[in-house]
Amino acid sequence: DAGITQSPRHKVTETGTPVTLRCHQTENHRYMYWYRQDPGHGLRLIHYSYGVKDTDKGEVSDGYSVSRSKTEDFLLTLESATSSQTSVYFCATRTGGMIYEQYFGPGTRLTVT
Amino acid sequence: QQQVKQSPQSLIVQKGGISIINCAYENTAFDYFPWYQQFPGKGPALLIAIRPDVSEKKEGRFTISFNKSAKQFSLHIMDSQPGDSATYFCAASISSGSARQLTFGSGTQLTVLP
Repeated sequence: DAGITQSPRHKVTETGTPVTLRCHQTENHRYMYWYRQDPGHGLRLIHYSYGVKDTDKGEVSDGYSVSRSKTEDFLLTLESATSSQTSVYFCATRTGGMIYEQYFGPGTRLTVT
Repeated sequence: QQQVKQSPQSLIVQKGGISIINCAYENTAFDYFPWYQQFPGKGPALLIAIRPDVSEKKEGRFTISFNKSAKQFSLHIMDSQPGDSATYFCAASISSGSARQLTFGSGTQLTVLP
């Protein structure tokens, strides 16, 4: 898993509550990504970071925000969780340059009731 | 333009058989095509990848065939084993915005029967 951990691994929360998921990497990779995985949709990019404090939106960014204050940590926040955000969330990292491979963390299963 | 279409959705193969999963893309700017393998409860793991300047890449029992003109690529698993039972995702990569991004297919659930 290229030294990637995600926390929590499982979470159940109620509609309308804020939720923060954490991704931590030990590989000093420049790029970090947040995806969500839903049946029939593969993985879809939510947000990504190309450096400390440098982030940008992905395909499905509505309702999500991110922050990266240190190279090793990338946080995903659901400001007010909705049932449509029930999903499995994966963090990925990439070192950069001509190396295109992304390495994925173990995932966080989030259920919004 | 960003879509990657993957088929079949599910595949059942006998042990020792050949598993074939197909993907098609539209955006000719994609320049890197990885395949990921995912076991239940785990994150996707890179299996094999190809760049469009070659038509085939083989690593052990896994082969990617790439047809640039048809905008299609496929994963072949030779001598399939029960341990290969997993979900497989194709993806295509493009430099977009401030970083390189991956667009994934919808996945194929492979079951290899003993």
